[in-house]
Amino acid sequence: EDQVTQSPEALRLQEGESSSLNCSYTVSGLRGLFWYRQDPGKGPEFLFTLYSAGEEKEKERLKATLTKKESFLHITAPKPEDSATYLCAVQAPSNAGNMLTFGGGTRLMVKP
Amino acid sequence: DTEVTQTPKHLVMGMTNKKSLKCEQHMGHRAMYWYKQKAKKPPELMFVYSYEKLSINESVPSRFSPECPNSSLLNLHLHALQPEDSALYLCASSLGQGYGNTIYFGEGSWLTVV
Repeated sequence: EDQVTQSPEALRLQEGESSSLNCSYTVSGLRGLFWYRQDPGKGPEFLFTLYSAGEEKEKERLKATLTKKESFLHITAPKPEDSATYLCAVQAPSNAGNMLTFGGGTRLMVKP
Repeated sequence: DTEVTQTPKHLVMGMTNKKSLKCEQHMGHRAMYWYKQKAKKPPELMFVYSYEKLSINESVPSRFSPECPNSSLLNLHLHALQPEDSALYLCASSLGQGYGNTIYFGEGSWLTVV
C-alpha cells in the first residue's frame, strides 16, 4: 500500500530562518511527486512536480528536491506570507490514472 | 489565481434540503474531480470525470450525486446530508487522467449541514 508521510506536522520559524520540510514516500513505481501550498479556508495551490530522483525545481524562496525515498521542500529566508500548510502527494500505478495519495501536510508558521 | 471557479463559497443547508455545488473551468481540461476535505486533513477523492463520463466513484454515499453537463462544468448535487458531511468541497481539473497530469484545485465550497 502506498504511504506518504510528511514531517514535521507543524513548524514555527522566525522570519529569515531557513528550513526544510520532509515528504517520505513508499510507493511502487513513482510516476510523479507533487507539492501544493494551502492557505486556511482555500483550495491547494500547485507549486511543483518532480518525476525522478535527482530532480530539483525552484520558485522564489522555495526549492523542491527528490530522492528515491523522499522529497524536501527547502524554504530560504521565509517571510510571514509563506505561512500555510504544505501538502505533498504522489502518483503511482497502484492508483488509477493520475490519482493522488496525499501526506498529512506540514503547517508552517513564520513569525515576523 | 486559480482558474477553477467554484460557487457558492459558503453553503448552509438543513438535513432535508436539496442543494448543488457548481464548478467551472476554461482551461480545456478533460478530467474533473470532486474532493472532500475535513479540518487539518488532506483532501479525499470522491469522484472523477474523464471526457464527461464518470470514471471513478470512491464509494461515496448516494446522497452525493455528481453531474458533468459539459467539458467545462461539474456539479455536485446534495440531498439528505448529515452533519458529518460538513466540510470543504474542492473541485479540481487536469488536462487528462494520465500520469504526470497536474491537478489544479479551485478555492472550495464550505458546506455546513445543520
